[in-house]
Amino acid sequence: GNSVTQMEGPVTLSEEAFLTINCTYTATGYPSLFWYVQYPGEGLQLLLKATKADDKGSNKGFEATYRKETTSFHLEKGSVQVSDSAVYFCALSDQSGNTPLVFGKGTRLSVIA
Amino acid sequence: DTAVSQTPKYLVTQMGNDKSIKCEQNLGHDTMYWYKQDSKKFLKIMFSYNNKELIINETVPNRFSPKSPDKAHLNLHINSLELGDSAVYFCASSSEESGNTIYFGEGSWLTVV
Repeated sequence: GNSVTQMEGPVTLSEEAFLTINCTYTATGYPSLFWYVQYPGEGLQLLLKATKADDKGSNKGFEATYRKETTSFHLEKGSVQVSDSAVYFCALSDQSGNTPLVFGKGTRLSVIA
Repeated sequence: DTAVSQTPKYLVTQMGNDKSIKCEQNLGHDTMYWYKQDSKKFLKIMFSYNNKELIINETVPNRFSPKSPDKAHLNLHINSLELGDSAVYFCASSSEESGNTIYFGEGSWLTVV
């Protein structure tokens, strides 16, 4: 079945550091891939997505590239801010629309000034 | 305007009580979901409805009963609440027209005491 594996947290970085959160997936066919972010006390928000191989999703300085050959969708940001502190979830969805998202377990990021 | 709204946001109740969480989406989506996020941030799907029809029902106690009066609403009723039901419950919606991107509500924090 479909599954998502993302790096264990928590991850603690200093402001302006480079961020990478690894995510790999197992799926049949060609899933869409997503990163969701959950800020403290709030619900999940879509951060970025990619729907086919080699697509790059980007938003708010975050990027992730859909790599079919390595079945990965790593999240990166060149310079993190304190306001980026949150839990980040990698997820996939069957493009048929009949399979709901399968989520990774989430990675907590803390950015310190 | 909130796309996916759920009420109440916070709910504290005693064991054995019956409670409901309401969800409404104004995105015109035809699929709605309920997810449960436990204290370790594990996010798991509970139910999925498409055009008011139940299409996914994961292993959830039958004390949980979703009700979809129309495709814009998916309410969650819980009977005989137990301590282990304490969690954050997220409503969500999607459609093929939106590229299967799932939009989440802000969550309902349920505490059973």
